[in-house]
Amino acid sequence: AQKITQTQPGMFVQEKEAVTLDCTYDTSDQSYGLFWYKQPSSGEMIFLIYQGSYDEQNATEGRYSLNFQKARKSANLVISASQLGDSAMYFCAMREGMDSSYKLIFGSGTRLLVRP
Amino acid sequence: DTGVSQNPRHKITKRGQNVTFRCDPISEHNRLYWYRQTLGQGPEFLTYFQNEAQLEKSRLLSDRFSAERPKGSFSTLEIQRTEQGDSAMYLCASSSQDLQGARSPLHFGNGTRLTVT
Repeated sequence: AQKITQTQPGMFVQEKEAVTLDCTYDTSDQSYGLFWYKQPSSGEMIFLIYQGSYDEQNATEGRYSLNFQKARKSANLVISASQLGDSAMYFCAMREGMDSSYKLIFGSGTRLLVRP
Repeated sequence: DTGVSQNPRHKITKRGQNVTFRCDPISEHNRLYWYRQTLGQGPEFLTYFQNEAQLEKSRLLSDRFSAERPKGSFSTLEIQRTEQGDSAMYLCASSSQDLQGARSPLHFGNGTRLTVT
């Protein structure tokens, strides 16, 4: 079974509008972490935001926020006031608490295109 | 903080040849990871080092793949007898075992793009 599912292969958003990128996850661990990364066409993976399974509040980092719904096992990324530079691939990833390697398991990504 | 450095950026090789990639992690990071990313997909975990010890290998890492991290600093990933299916981006990442613990993100290099002809 897929550990991380991103059901939107591609998304469009108008500049200055908000957009939500979906991510659902599957784990039996009680302790886990969820990460979002951005990958522009240049290829580097840029860390955006982190949410811990025990965090009581949804994470926010500037224009990025995470809509964490634990019971639904979803961790959607919300980008507010989209900018042209937000056009990129976005990956959701999970770190399972019982995994001593601390590796991340990635979803297949969502390509976001911001229209001027 | 100079970031994670990977060399070469691009490698084109003929099927059957051996290739070796290098990764220099962020200097104070003791954890190092190799991932493979094919077009349109997310990175897939290959292997993990803590200091110089290789502690985990994915089933994706066939016998033709070997990774080392001598002295717990830089790492190399070698692919022997390359096949066309090995064509991918090979990403290296590092992280520190610090107070952040499980909250520590992985810091990625820009990757080595391998094309096997």
